[in-house]
Amino acid sequence: ETGVTQTPRHLVMGMTNKKSLKCEQHLGHNAMYWYKQSAKKPLELMFVYNFKEQTENNSVPSRFSPECPNSSHLFLHLHTLQPEDSALYLCASSQDADQPQHFGDGTRLSIL
Amino acid sequence: QKEVEQNSGPLSVPEGAIASLNCTYSDRVSQSFFWYRQYSGKSPELIMSIYSNGDKEDGRFTAQLNKASQYVSLLIRDSQPSDSATYLCAVKLNFGNEKLTFGTGTRLTIIP
Repeated sequence: ETGVTQTPRHLVMGMTNKKSLKCEQHLGHNAMYWYKQSAKKPLELMFVYNFKEQTENNSVPSRFSPECPNSSHLFLHLHTLQPEDSALYLCASSQDADQPQHFGDGTRLSIL
Repeated sequence: QKEVEQNSGPLSVPEGAIASLNCTYSDRVSQSFFWYRQYSGKSPELIMSIYSNGDKEDGRFTAQLNKASQYVSLLIRDSQPSDSATYLCAVKLNFGNEKLTFGTGTRLTIIP
């Protein structure tokens, strides 16, 4: 298996549910990212981890909680989400901060 | 003013012609520039990266950068129907900074 893998591909949840998105990269990269992609809006950077340390939190609400247990895995824990949080959530990785980022296929999240 | 600006399109180009995609950015000290292609329902895929003024060619793709005019473009020669996608321009502020700022993307349709 190669590249950046995200699970699940689709997720429907109620506003009071707790769920987690998972990202795994098999590229030996040291930096991992979470992005949100909504219709008609640019990709929005949410979090950055570099060598397992969080280096960027782009003013993301606390109902989104990232976790990076090692350089290959990244999670996004979701709790008490709002309908406006429905979007495509993309994970990306790069060798380091200066190298291009490679994206996973994303998780399409729908909040009821 | 948007940080990275692209014409959302749609841009329609006949098969075999040259497709020209444009992007402007607001931060004069930006150092790294990327073009991603995103098919509907898929993740962004890196096509080109460019760091210096001038042209960079890779197969049918040419990226052009003009830092003085804060302008980066992507030319696609001999356009094919498989080139139909949304093209995202992304800009990185400086080396060592992980944050990548995206435009909203230009939707390109190649007409057979």
